[in-house]
Amino acid sequence: DQQVKQNSPSLSVQEGRISILNCDYTNSMFDYFLWYKKYPAEGPTFLISISSIKDKNEDGRFTVFLNKSAKHLSLHIVPSQPGDSAVYFCAATVFQGAQKLVFGQGTRLTINP
Amino acid sequence: KAGVTQTPRYLIKTRGQQVTLSCSPISGHRSVSWYQQTPGQGLQFLFEYFSETQRNKGNFPGRFSGRQFSNSRSEMNVSTLELGDSALYLCASSLEPSGGELFFGEGSRLTVL
Repeated sequence: DQQVKQNSPSLSVQEGRISILNCDYTNSMFDYFLWYKKYPAEGPTFLISISSIKDKNEDGRFTVFLNKSAKHLSLHIVPSQPGDSAVYFCAATVFQGAQKLVFGQGTRLTINP
Repeated sequence: KAGVTQTPRYLIKTRGQQVTLSCSPISGHRSVSWYQQTPGQGLQFLFEYFSETQRNKGNFPGRFSGRQFSNSRSEMNVSTLELGDSALYLCASSLEPSGGELFFGEGSRLTVL
């Protein structure tokens, strides 16, 4: 049961343009959402997060939007840079007996010069 | 501050064998989680340990086990290896359990032949 879904396995964007990565979830009890970025041969690193009580959080070129009614999360990167090429995972936390972190399948973003 | 250290980085085993992977968390972090990454499946949660106690377990067969030591170092073991166990095994640490922001190691790449 994939509670957090990233339906696009890959995305290709031109340098300087906006990259939009999407994530859908099914569990309305998720209370905190995060994005992680992963380069090859490295572990994922935390990028940005948003609480379920907010609908937007911005950090430099990165903005995360949360639409609770649609159970949809998106990450906007603008402007996109070649160094942004990586796999992006969205994740969500929920308390199910114990606090649990659930990851999506990941989206491979490629920024073309 | 040293990051999360995983050993070994790469290993090759044959079906039926068993393997032990090690993880040293960031100093001061008491929570350690393990994830399996395979193409198309994203990061699948294996288990989480906090203060030597398993707090959470994912949907993996009993062949997958783990433990945490008093110094917060953790090991995971996979017995009777199957071809499908080939994956990148990632360890992550955090100050508190499932606090959201995890710090990942570079992973142990297991290949089962």
